Amino acid sequence: DAKTTQPPSMDCAEGRAANLPCNHSTISGNEYVYWYRQIHSQGPQYIIHGLKNNETNEMASLIITEDRKSSTLILPHATLRDTAVYYCIVRLHNAGKSTFGDGTTLTVKP
Amino acid sequence: NAGVMQNPRHLVRRRGQEARLRCSPVKGHSHVYWYRQLPEEGLKFMVYLQKENIIDESGMPKERFSAEFPKEGPSILRIQQVVRGDSAAYFCASSPLGQGGTDTQYFGPGTRLTVL
Repeated sequence: DAKTTQPPSMDCAEGRAANLPCNHSTISGNEYVYWYRQIHSQGPQYIIHGLKNNETNEMASLIITEDRKSSTLILPHATLRDTAVYYCIVRLHNAGKSTFGDGTTLTVKP
Repeated sequence: NAGVMQNPRHLVRRRGQEARLRCSPVKGHSHVYWYRQLPEEGLKFMVYLQKENIIDESGMPKERFSAEFPKEGPSILRIQQVVRGDSAAYFCASSPLGQGGTDTQYFGPGTRLTVL
């Protein structure tokens, strides 16, 4: 699996968009980008994933650069409950394991 | 639909005892994964199983740890002769069958093992 690099921490004001970056410069052509979050030691929660195109669901949007070397997770209107550690993972489909890095600790402030 | 279920949620064992952690995957999911999260650390992959088969156990300690996913019933992670260093949160995830479709892993709430 490709290695990912994320900033260790970020702050965001409540109600504003939170933009979490991830670098994955060694990603291969058939590896997907997945995002999870872990709220206060709960089980990781799946957020979104994509291959090449930008993706959006009810939780977030995922923007993947054209060269696929980086991506950004966007939480459009952050709330206090979005405070969590966010993990960017790059993996093949059907690869089995996911390799979690250190993630980004997002703190949403009132 | 019920998500991934794990029990017990909290387990306390004394050194030398056995710990059995159970995981019931999402209904219809045939792949199970176990991860461990030591205090103040990230999640580490342990083992990947399909029904009655271990597919990847590259993250499992060589001794005292074993896992199974029988044809019927939950997946079991078994730790024999526990030591204090086994104290951690153990998370199970499940995914549907791949073959071109998504194999997104969905996680359970975890079992927090404390070894006294």
